[in-house]
Amino acid sequence: DTEVTQTPKHLVMGMTNKKSLKCEQHMGHRAMYWYKQKAKKPPELMFVYSYEKLSINESVPSRFSPECPNSSLLNLHLHALQPEDSALYLCASSQDNGRGARNNEQFFGPGTRLTVL
Amino acid sequence: LAKTTQPISMDSYEGQEVNITCSHNNIATNDYITWYQQFPSQGPRFIIQGYKTKVTNEVASLFIPADRKSSTLSLPRVSLSDTAVYYCLVGDNNAGNMLTFGGGTRLMVKP
Repeated sequence: DTEVTQTPKHLVMGMTNKKSLKCEQHMGHRAMYWYKQKAKKPPELMFVYSYEKLSINESVPSRFSPECPNSSLLNLHLHALQPEDSALYLCASSQDNGRGARNNEQFFGPGTRLTVL
Repeated sequence: LAKTTQPISMDSYEGQEVNITCSHNNIATNDYITWYQQFPSQGPRFIIQGYKTKVTNEVASLFIPADRKSSTLSLPRVSLSDTAVYYCLVGDNNAGNMLTFGGGTRLMVKP
């Protein structure tokens, strides 16, 4: 299985809602990532988990809260979002994150299209 | 200071070879060069990675000159389905900086 899955595919939420995005991989990868991508822009890194521990947080507002329950799952909890947070949220995984000489290929999921009203 | 610079867009015709060049003047000794392809509303997909000289796989070639300050992704005989955005990334995964996407090149393949 060489796939990263994300649910839901689409999400519409109000600014007072609480929702969660989910990501799953069964490739045995130990690094997982959240990216945000606005239209016609490159993906922007938000968070990196390495061996289930948060290793990088790119100064993301606290209304985004990541969680890594186990090595196969990655969640992104959303609360009190703003309309400008509407974007495609991408999850990725790689074999590891710097623990070795290889520069690891990231496998991306299809993303969750989020609209905040 | 931007890590990479790519052309914003390129046009080509089916069957032609396409070369997309990425400039990375500040590349460090331990940095690798990686290219991803992205279709609309999909996640990026790994194409190829290299450190120096030439790397070839079943879909592309990557040419890296000796000074490593640029690299060229070569797509042989493109088809309409190669219309996508192509991103060049430069970094050292050991340093955790292989994660910044540049602006990308939007390739349009015409019939």
